[in-house]
Amino acid sequence: KAGVTQTPRYLIKTRGQQVTLSCSPISGHRSVSWYQQTPGQGLQFLFEYFSETQRNKGNFPGRFSGRQFSNSRSEMNVSTLELGDSALYLCASSLARKGKEINTEAFFGQGTRLTVV
Amino acid sequence: AQKITQTQPGMFVQEKEAVTLDCTYDTSDPSYGLFWYKQPSSGEMIFLIYQGSYDQQNATEGRYSLNFQKARKSANLVISASQLGDSAMYFCAMREGPLAFGNEKLTFGTGTRLTIIP
Repeated sequence: KAGVTQTPRYLIKTRGQQVTLSCSPISGHRSVSWYQQTPGQGLQFLFEYFSETQRNKGNFPGRFSGRQFSNSRSEMNVSTLELGDSALYLCASSLARKGKEINTEAFFGQGTRLTVV
Repeated sequence: AQKITQTQPGMFVQEKEAVTLDCTYDTSDPSYGLFWYKQPSSGEMIFLIYQGSYDQQNATEGRYSLNFQKARKSANLVISASQLGDSAMYFCAMREGPLAFGNEKLTFGTGTRLTIIP
């Protein structure tokens, strides 16, 4: 069973540009969450998508957006890049079965390391 | 207040010894889940173990066990018989609220860098 796949693995962009990151969840997983990891701020929750709808959102500016497709694949977009957006962006997928109190651990991809110069 | 606190920025442990990584949490929600993840230098977050707030027994997964003390709000990870491959960053994380309401957000601690010495 394939794990969570994130593409690209590495990316270098210039300030002011925009970038799109992709995440393919584990087959059958319906929830996709995105996290930003930096040395200064640690791991921070960006947003979560379930069935093509954003369910939760962290405290990030509107330059950060995302979407989810009908096959559960998700993309994250950052517009007008700033130097401070340099980070490891991690995607996590989970079953997210509703209506039942069960543990659905989140499985993470290897991340996309974005460098803004 | 920090929701997840990991007070050990770094630890050095001799190979084959047991190691305990500390994690305390803060929540007023009666329903929550606690997770431990391992992050090697490659960057991927590897799920290790989970403990639900209503679980009566401490969780165990192979060499990993979670020492859950609800009254103290602590969820320490214990790794028995450490191996060189255990060298990595370890993160404690919490999910608050019943999963049934579609709450997938994880809040992470700052992590502990574990180094196993041969």
